[in-house]
Amino acid sequence: ETGVTQTPRHLVMGMTNKKSLKCEQHLGHNAMYWYKQSAKKPLELMFVYNFKEQTENNSVPSRFSPECPNSSHLFLHLHTLQPEDSALYLCASSHLGQGHGYTFGSGTRLTVV
Amino acid sequence: DQQVKQNSPSLSVQEGRISILNCDYTNSMFDYFLWYKKYPAEGPTFLISISSIKDKNEDGRFTVFLNKSAKHLSLHIVPSQPGDSAVYFCAASPAQGGSEKLVFGKGTKLTVNP
Repeated sequence: ETGVTQTPRHLVMGMTNKKSLKCEQHLGHNAMYWYKQSAKKPLELMFVYNFKEQTENNSVPSRFSPECPNSSHLFLHLHTLQPEDSALYLCASSHLGQGHGYTFGSGTRLTVV
Repeated sequence: DQQVKQNSPSLSVQEGRISILNCDYTNSMFDYFLWYKKYPAEGPTFLISISSIKDKNEDGRFTVFLNKSAKHLSLHIVPSQPGDSAVYFCAASPAQGGSEKLVFGKGTKLTVNP
């Protein structure tokens, strides 16, 4: 596999469930990001990890919990979500200092019922 | 407060004509600008970028123009093709290197009609 892979592609979960989104990059990048895309809104940055260390938490509610065990893998753990959290969650990676922007995964379409 | 604005949610052009997508920004610290293209059910893909030291960057059919004094950039696609139909996101960063935190606009949906 090449590029940035996100699983699952689609997820439906109840408000009391616990689930995790997974992201894996095979590009040798050293930074990874979680973005949220809601309808009619800009892409919203959620978390940034540089060299496995979280460098940014963009005022994200604690019901979203990121984990970055190494520079190739990124998780987003979800618990007690609300229906308004339904959105497309995009993972991206980049190589710091190279200025080529991000490589995005295809996203996980999350529906909270 | 939106720092990157794409005021046209949609644009429709005829195949072979020019498509012009616009983007405005408010943060004077932004130094590096990118355009991404997104098809349904896929993540955004990088299209073209421009550094603030330039006012134009060209790559094939795609040209990005930057007007720093007006805090405005535009993406020109010529000639437009039906395969260009997608959502285009403008993004900005305070630096070309470093943390590269990108701020995105809401996107403009381009439809190129055959």
